[in-house]
Amino acid sequence: DVKVTQSSRYLVKRTGEKVFLECVQDMDHENMFWYRQDPGLGLRLIYFSYDVKMKEKGDIPEGYSVSREKKERFSLILESASTNQTSMYLCASSGGGDLYEQYFGPGTRLTVT
Amino acid sequence: DQQVKQNSPSLSVQEGRISILNCDYTNSMFDYFLWYKKYPAEGPTFLISISSIKDKNEDGRFTVFLNKSAKHLSLHIVPSQPGDSAVYFCAARDSWGKLQFGAGTQVVVTP
Repeated sequence: DVKVTQSSRYLVKRTGEKVFLECVQDMDHENMFWYRQDPGLGLRLIYFSYDVKMKEKGDIPEGYSVSREKKERFSLILESASTNQTSMYLCASSGGGDLYEQYFGPGTRLTVT
Repeated sequence: DQQVKQNSPSLSVQEGRISILNCDYTNSMFDYFLWYKKYPAEGPTFLISISSIKDKNEDGRFTVFLNKSAKHLSLHIVPSQPGDSAVYFCAARDSWGKLQFGAGTQVVVTP
């Protein structure tokens, strides 16, 4: 079974704090993704990575950065958290050349106050 | 602007009946369409997919239909079971290989 784990299920941070969301997958997948899920908007892609040290902007990268130093780990960084970044954050991974059959982690509910 | 739209935020259906979930898209370059299912406090899980060169794909109780001329796809669940109660997301793969998701439809299957 593919397993994608996220470091926290719930997180509360203050405006201006630096926030790290960690994601680890155990299936040796090349591709990893960060999405945010908001009511009425579905899942929107923030950043993704095809390989170690590679990163590509998704549809809403503003205010975020990522790091992929090891194949199994993909981190999402909020340099200076703002209230409009309160959301559910979902990490996913997929193998080989297919980007579409993605395996998701359980999500991190981030609240920025 | 959302390229994948699920216009029904919720659907209630009786156990044993058919559930029909609809999805519309605007980008004719999408080449693959998928449905994901999400339970509360869990990440979405892949359910079924269809290539843009086909018009139907079936997997057990789940069938996806694609009408390219109408830019419309639908998911049929027959028969619906209580365990099918979840949020269903429609997604489409764009020319960059990324997935574009709809807003989701909450399905409630009642006894």
